[in-house]
Amino acid sequence: GAVVSQHPSWVICKSGTSVKIECRSLDFQATTMFWYRQFPKQSLMLMATSNEGSKATYEQGVEKDKFLINHASLTLSTLTVTSAHPEDSSFYICSARVSPDGYTFGSGTRLTVV
Amino acid sequence: SQKIEQNSEALNIQEGKTATLTCNYTNYSPAYLQWYRQDPGRGPVFLLLIRENEKEKRKERLKVTFDTTLKQSLFHITASQPADSATYLCALDMDTGRRALTFGSGTRLQVQP
Repeated sequence: GAVVSQHPSWVICKSGTSVKIECRSLDFQATTMFWYRQFPKQSLMLMATSNEGSKATYEQGVEKDKFLINHASLTLSTLTVTSAHPEDSSFYICSARVSPDGYTFGSGTRLTVV
Repeated sequence: SQKIEQNSEALNIQEGKTATLTCNYTNYSPAYLQWYRQDPGRGPVFLLLIRENEKEKRKERLKVTFDTTLKQSLFHITASQPADSATYLCALDMDTGRRALTFGSGTRLQVQP
């Protein structure tokens, strides 16, 4: 089946630095990818929709200058958390739509900002 | 506003029993509803999809029902095993134009041996 590979699985960074998270579709082309954030014991919240070759669409309340999304190819989308702060510590998950009603998810990235 | 609600309290059951989880939604009529399993520190894994014209769907020990009048889906795990312990999420495409899934808050299931 369609697989999305997400890296790194965890990262610790210092406050003020930037962190890049990669999401690759391994055996299919992902025109659209989605980025979610999940805080402890809460559900996945959609941050943005990433479209290959165009600008991402951000959800209300998500700072596009802080969470930079690049979807330069049909197999790679990246999320860069810029000038990270402790409140950005969370679990970030990417997802790709593989069919009209089918989605596959990455394994997630645990970001800890110290 | 559109909402998806799952019982946020953990569900504890004995091994061998049937676990039943509930997903309720409001202000929307989805074409389908999906159930996912999420283990700690991992991404969601797809389990079952049920369409609006289907009342029930089965896959091995899993069964999902969909009542579009009540705006509710029930997720059953029969003959539960400790390995079934996880958080279970229901999800809908809320037709926001982005074609992304919107998730419920999830219910944590703990199966005791």
